[in-house]
Amino acid sequence: QVQLQESGPGLVKPSQTLSLTCTVSGGSIASFTHYWSWIRQRPGKGLEWIGCVFSRGDAYYNPSLESRVTISVDTSKNQFYLEMSAVTAADTGIYYCAKEPDVWGRGTLVTVSS
Amino acid sequence: DIQMTQSPSSLSASVGGRVTITCQASQDINNYLNWFQLKPGRAPKLLISDASHLEPGVPSRFSGSGSGTHFTFTISGLQPEDTATYFCQQYENLPRTFGQGTRLEIK
Repeated sequence: QVQLQESGPGLVKPSQTLSLTCTVSGGSIASFTHYWSWIRQRPGKGLEWIGCVFSRGDAYYNPSLESRVTISVDTSKNQFYLEMSAVTAADTGIYYCAKEPDVWGRGTLVTVSS
Repeated sequence: DIQMTQSPSSLSASVGGRVTITCQASQDINNYLNWFQLKPGRAPKLLISDASHLEPGVPSRFSGSGSGTHFTFTISGLQPEDTATYFCQQYENLPRTFGQGTRLEIK
């Protein structure tokens, strides 16, 4: 049974880069043809799809965030990653990694503040 | 992007009651619609896929229907543990998009 766990700093300063890791257990990323996603929920707002990556490395991003986001994968570590640059307070929220649609991590809270 | 308009934004109902949430897509999404349950501190849970397919292990009091651009999600025989926020999501196109969410309170 595949499980996902997000990790990374809970506090990021404005203008810096947010970096998160999603560790996959119970299965090999490389064995799935499916994509691996990042999704966030900001305070008072709904869920927002950030983007996804396939095990071969192809990535797709939400156009609203594309200029600031990079999603990558390391099959040897069974992990995939989110980097979001030039963060502001508006990027504060809970960040989820997922093997859509049925396997999600519990989410990690990221606060952007000086 | 496909816009998903979900309503209502919140509702309150009694144990044993029934509630319905609607989701309207800005274009035809060919039944490529999921419904999720979100509780604080927990991983979002997929309840329904393909607009009406109940996921394994999900109680039969949850149901979904609709096609094209108009979809509904119903919970019958409400239980206290159904207190949560519910979201629809289209997966016809990238980027995936979600409805604004419906916060359900069980009285």
